[in-house]
Amino acid sequence: ETGVTQTPRHLVMGMTNKKSLKCEQHLGHNAMYWYKQSAKKPLELMFVYNFKEQTENNSVPSRFSPECPNSSHLFLHLHTLQPEDSALYLCASSHGRGGANVLTFGAGSRLTVL
Amino acid sequence: QKEVEQDPGPLSVPEGAIVSLNCTYSNSAFQYFMWYRQYSRKGPELLMYTYSSGNKEDGRFTAQVDKSSKYISLFIRDSQPSDSATYLCAMSLTNTGNQFYFGTGTSLTVIP
Repeated sequence: ETGVTQTPRHLVMGMTNKKSLKCEQHLGHNAMYWYKQSAKKPLELMFVYNFKEQTENNSVPSRFSPECPNSSHLFLHLHTLQPEDSALYLCASSHGRGGANVLTFGAGSRLTVL
Repeated sequence: QKEVEQDPGPLSVPEGAIVSLNCTYSNSAFQYFMWYRQYSRKGPELLMYTYSSGNKEDGRFTAQVDKSSKYISLFIRDSQPSDSATYLCAMSLTNTGNQFYFGTGTSLTVIP
């Protein structure tokens, strides 16, 4: 499998549930990202990891908890979410070294919070 | 003022038309410019990548950057129904950082 893979593709959860989103990249990239995509808004950067170290946390509420066990895997743990957290959550990776530094995105996880 | 402004559309054109998609930005330090295409229920995919001012062509697609006006464009020639998607512009300051600045995206429909 190549590229960036996200699971699950769709998730419905109640406000008291705990769930996790998973991302895996097979590109050998050294940086991984979580973005939130909502209608009519630019992509919102949530977290960035470089070589497994978190380098960016864009004032994201603590109900979102990232985990990066290695440079190929990234998780977003979700708990006690609010309905306004319903959105498409995109994982991306980039190599950040030489050549074009661009983002490669996964297909996204569509989250609905009831 | 937003860093990057993009008209969300929607834009609807007949098949074969030339499409022009645009973004303006406020930070004159941006040097790297990207266009992503996002089909419904998919993630964005990189379409074009340019550095500094000038034009870049790839098949039916041409990316244009005018740094003096802080304006970038994507032209699609001979548009096809398969071009129907949302197009997002993005830009960055350096080629090594992790900060990318996105527009809101323009929704395009090409009518057969």
